[in-house]
Amino acid sequence: AQTVTQSQPEMSVQEAETVTLSCTYDTSESDYYLFWYKQPPSRQMILVIRQEAYKQQNATENRFSVNFQKAAKSFSLKISDSQLGDAAMYFCAYRSRETSGSRLTFGEGTQLTVNP
Amino acid sequence: DAGVIQSPRHEVTEMGQEVTLRCKPISGHNSLFWYRQTMMRGLELLIYFNNNVPIDDSGMPEDRFSAKMPNASFSTLKIQPSEPRDSAVYFCASTLGRKTGTEQFFGPGTRLTVL
Repeated sequence: AQTVTQSQPEMSVQEAETVTLSCTYDTSESDYYLFWYKQPPSRQMILVIRQEAYKQQNATENRFSVNFQKAAKSFSLKISDSQLGDAAMYFCAYRSRETSGSRLTFGEGTQLTVNP
Repeated sequence: DAGVIQSPRHEVTEMGQEVTLRCKPISGHNSLFWYRQTMMRGLELLIYFNNNVPIDDSGMPEDRFSAKMPNASFSTLKIQPSEPRDSAVYFCASTLGRKTGTEQFFGPGTRLTVL
């Protein structure tokens, strides 16, 4: 079974600075997807960024980018020019592409605080 | 598009009562997921459906939990009888496709409190 680990329960960053959230995962599969979801106080789960394992190029979405290290099974999220609205719980998630299973396996989450 | 709709948004009930949570997926999506979020266990998948058929219910805690999807636009998660340890936020999510990496769209969640 796949597992996802986020070793940072809490992180903080100054507004306009850059922060990196860590995520590692364990799988025996070679084809899968990785996601970062954001959950603000409203509880809504919002997709931030997605990475396909067969793509070597790191995904980017505006101020959000990932550092995908497939061999190391690492998938960190970098937030540049942090804004107050980025404050939220961030979840790393794994989804198999090989098996018929379609579930998301989530990490424990990292609570990000943005200080003005 | 209205997104995934869940009702009720909040539910407070007493131990032993039956609780029914409802979900309307995004029109056209063919996969539906029920997740539970607690402080202790984080986000965990309870069950998911593909084309209205339950595919994996291994995450359902016990026989007190049951889920149905009578048609493509409606699903229910029922707890009978409810217990205080069932208190959590329950999310419904939907997506188009089973083996693709398309995004799972989440509903706003139902916060359940069992007294």
